Order: sequence, then structure tokens, then C-alpha cells
Amino acid sequence: SQKIEQNSEALNIQEGKTATLTCNYTNYSPAYLQWYRQDPGRGPVFLLLIRENEKEKRKERLKVTFDTTLKQSLFHITASQPADSATYLCALEGGFKTIFGAGTRLFVKA
Amino acid sequence: EPEVTQTPSHQVTQMGQEVILRCVPISNHLYFYWYRQILGQKVEFLVSFYNNEISEKSEIFDDQFSVERPDGSNFTLKIRSTKLEDSAMYFCASSAGGYDTQYFGPGTRLTVL
Repeated sequence: SQKIEQNSEALNIQEGKTATLTCNYTNYSPAYLQWYRQDPGRGPVFLLLIRENEKEKRKERLKVTFDTTLKQSLFHITASQPADSATYLCALEGGFKTIFGAGTRLFVKA
Repeated sequence: EPEVTQTPSHQVTQMGQEVILRCVPISNHLYFYWYRQILGQKVEFLVSFYNNEISEKSEIFDDQFSVERPDGSNFTLKIRSTKLEDSAMYFCASSAGGYDTQYFGPGTRLTVL
């Protein structure tokens, strides 16, 4: 079955630095991959979608890469701010469902 | 901006009771989903629904669960006889197409005592 691993449970960085989060997957070749943000007690909020034929996608301070050979996606937040502190979820397309990773908790310190 | 809404925000029930969780998906979306998240764990897929039929369901979605689109706007999840382990956040989501981004509601926190 499909398996997703997000490389660390928590990541602490200083304000202004770039945060890089990793998502690895196995046993699957998704047509696309998504990143969501989740705040405590709230639903996931969609951030970016990248398709299998795209190498990189950007939106404001966010950048996602997708390497289908390595089966890996990297999610970058540049010029990070304390307001970026949240859990970030990697999610694979799995047919008529979305398969989520466990998430990485990002803490941005002022 | 259109959004998915869910009611109630918090539901407390006794073990063995039936609960119905309600969702209003984004109005022009055709695909609807339920997910759950047990406290501290990852978001898990329960069921997807399209054209008044279940498209896919997980092993969690057993005979105790059912979904319905009773009218043109609501989408419901019913748990017939709740168990303690059903305590979780339940999220509804909708998408325009079957392979499009899913937009999530704020969730219903279900507590089974």
C-alpha cells in the first residue's frame, strides 16, 4: 500500500530563515502531490499542488519541488515568520481519496 | 471565497448512540469526502462520494458508517452505534473534479463517552 513519510516530526527555525520540509513516498506513482497547512483544532488548508510532469511550483514565499524518480517532494518557506508556525501536511493523490502524511510541525522563533 | 461548512463544531454523545455529522460542500463541487483525525494522529480517509454513490471507502468505513446527500446542499455522515474509539475530529471535504484539490471544512469534534 502507499506509504508517506515526512522526515521530521518538528522543525525549529529562526525568523527570516528558509524552512525546508521533506516528503518521501513509496509503492505508488501519484499523478500529483499537495501540501496543506493545519493549525491546532482546525481543518487542513490547501497551499500548493504539483503535478507529476512539473518539477517546481511557486506561490509567494512558498516553493514546492517534485522528484518522481526519487519519490520525494521538498516544501520551502522563504523569509519565514512566526505566523508560519503550524503543521504542514504532505498529501498524495490516491484515486478518489487523498493520502496524508503525519505532518511536520514547524516552529518559527522571532 | 466559498468554503466548506460543518455542523456541529462539537458533538458529545454516549457510547451506542447514533450521531449525524453535517456538511455543506462548496456549491459547484461534485465530489465529497469524509476524513477523520484522532487526536495527535494523521488525517485518515473514510469515504468519497460522487453522483449519489460511494466512489471509494477505507477499511475504517464499516457497516456502522453511512453517508447521504439528502438534498442539493447537504452531505451527512452517520455513525449508527458509536464506540469510544470513534472519538476524533471529522472533516468534510469537497472538490470540483475527482482529481482536483480537496477543500476541507473546519471539522466536527466528536467525543464518545
